[in-house]
Amino acid sequence: GIQVEQSPPDLILQEGANSTLRCNFSDSVNNLQWFHQNPWGQLINLFYIPSGTKQNGRLSATTVATERYSLLYISSSQTTDSGVYFCAVEQRTGNQFYFGTGTSLTVIP
Amino acid sequence: NAGVMQNPRHLVRRRGQEARLRCSPMKGHSHVYWYRQLPEEGLKFMVYLQKENIIDESGMPKERFSAEFPKEGPSILRIQQVVRGDSAAYFCASSPQESGNTIYFGEGSWLTVV
Repeated sequence: GIQVEQSPPDLILQEGANSTLRCNFSDSVNNLQWFHQNPWGQLINLFYIPSGTKQNGRLSATTVATERYSLLYISSSQTTDSGVYFCAVEQRTGNQFYFGTGTSLTVIP
Repeated sequence: NAGVMQNPRHLVRRRGQEARLRCSPMKGHSHVYWYRQLPEEGLKFMVYLQKENIIDESGMPKERFSAEFPKEGPSILRIQQVVRGDSAAYFCASSPQESGNTIYFGEGSWLTVV
């Protein structure tokens, strides 16, 4: 199956700081999504972004499908941004989503 | 992820008992996925189902685990003779069609085997 690598694995930010999370994948994809798993375990959809750039408030994402990576930008971070951020990709020739191991973000006041 | 309903949210079973986890997809969604998340790990694919069909069960252990998505009613993930290693969060997701669409997750079912 497709390999999905996320970096950094852990990140600690001061409230108000900006950050960039990266997701690399090893094959062509039909679908790429970013999720936030909050401290209560809920998985929140952030972006459906197989290619291009999208923005939603303080968050934005860019996927460069030809170079097989995606970036998630968090600006002016808040303590409620804490949690684990997952990238998940759907391979062109498959039925399942492959998840990266996540980036664990802690935002301190 | 509003709309994908999982129950129970928390389940405690003794070793050797059976666990049944239920998932009702979002309205209009006919595709269901089950994922397992062990503590401190990412989500691992288990099985992909459409109504009355198992499409891909490549991630499901060959023994003790089964899944169904009947014509009527929720999808069910069944774990027989549970062992401590089955303790995990089990997430269900749904999508409206096979490929290239957003998938939405439920809030998960946390299984603890004692």
